[in-house]
Amino acid sequence: KNEVEQSPQNLTAQEGEFITINCSYSVGISALHWLQQHPGGGIVSLFMLSSGKKKHGRLIATINIQEKHSSLHITASHPRDSAVYICAVRSTSGNTPLVFGKGTRLSVIA
Amino acid sequence: ETGVTQSPTHLIKTRGQQVTLRCSSQSGHNTVSWYQQALGQGPQFIFQYYREEENGRGNFPPRFSGLQFPNYSSELNVNALELDDSALYLCASSQGTVFLYGYTFGSGTRLTVV
Repeated sequence: KNEVEQSPQNLTAQEGEFITINCSYSVGISALHWLQQHPGGGIVSLFMLSSGKKKHGRLIATINIQEKHSSLHITASHPRDSAVYICAVRSTSGNTPLVFGKGTRLSVIA
Repeated sequence: ETGVTQSPTHLIKTRGQQVTLRCSSQSGHNTVSWYQQALGQGPQFIFQYYREEENGRGNFPPRFSGLQFPNYSSELNVNALELDDSALYLCASSQGTVFLYGYTFGSGTRLTVV
């Protein structure tokens, strides 16, 4: 079982829909990252969370440390939001800077 | 403030050859980590360098090696390439090893081994 699990693996939405991507992890963490990866590979860091909730534009990220779960929400989705969204955690054990989920591929259709 | 730059962007090598990938860290960052991302998978940690010393390594064989230079740029070297080494190689820079300030990722080098 992977230390970081994301769901769904693939998601297709109509423009304007509210989108939720989930991330569950099984290790103790000091921080959780939400990343966006576009075709071609470049990764953009969206959020770094250790507790609570953060908002940036149409993106909202929440984390529940007790439940070891985080969600990324996109409001009023747009075709330019189409990308792979990756959850990554900074584990408090071991020497690995980041442990990544496999990503959620989002396609937003106009 | 410049971001993280990786070169080359694409590379094709033959099985058994050696390859060197390069990464220029974001200004002010002294830590660089390298990741391998196979198609359809999340990135996997290869190793990390802090102030020119390796201070963390993932589950990769010794033929994966690295360097960090005084200007904090970095190289990833892979010897005796295998077909399974075909992947996107990402580097990320950060300030220190506590990672309070997050990471800046490069766009990656896509390596194809034939």
